[in-house]
Amino acid sequence: GQQVMQIPQYQHVQEGEDFTTYCNSSTTLSNIQWYKQRPGGHPVFLIQLVKSGEVKKQKRLTFQFGEAKKNSSLHITATQTTDVGTYFCAGPGGGSYIPTFGRGTSLIVHP
Amino acid sequence: DTGVSQNPRHKITKRGQNVTFRCDPISEHNRLYWYRQTLGQGPEFLTYFQNEAQLEKSRLLSDRFSAERPKGSFSTLEIQRTEQGDSAMYLCASIRSGESYEQYFGPGTRLTVT
Repeated sequence: GQQVMQIPQYQHVQEGEDFTTYCNSSTTLSNIQWYKQRPGGHPVFLIQLVKSGEVKKQKRLTFQFGEAKKNSSLHITATQTTDVGTYFCAGPGGGSYIPTFGRGTSLIVHP
Repeated sequence: DTGVSQNPRHKITKRGQNVTFRCDPISEHNRLYWYRQTLGQGPEFLTYFQNEAQLEKSRLLSDRFSAERPKGSFSTLEIQRTEQGDSAMYLCASIRSGESYEQYFGPGTRLTVT
């Protein structure tokens, strides 16, 4: 079945440093979504990417979808303590409506 | 506030008991998903509905798990004869039909089986 891998599993940064998490799927994705889950909270939708090579920005967050539509990345510039949480990518493979989530990358920001 | 509600928020039960969780999606959302999430893992897909039709249930963890969505509104997830390994967060999410996969998650029901 489809597998979605995320690296790294954890990332410690000093406030103000940049952060990047990578997502790789074993199958081609029709689209990919990114979610953020704060400690003790539930996943909150951040963005959806659909097109090959697509890049989208939300303030300090930059999302990319690979040319082959099998990988994606999330980059945060100048992290803040409010960025703390676990970032998940999720994508439906094989034309299904069933999203597969990665294990997530937990971001810890030290003030 | 995402608009998806789940009840109860916490459930403690003894092994062997049956439990039922409820999810109320955003009213205009036609698709409803159930996930299980354990510590350090991403949400694990269990089943989903398009209106009242359950379109995928092969990923339900065992035949002790069942879900319903009568009339295409709220949904329930039942676990019969609970086991300690069922302890987890059970999340519900809804999507407006169409091309978007933007899922709105509820706060989840945390199940503890003692």
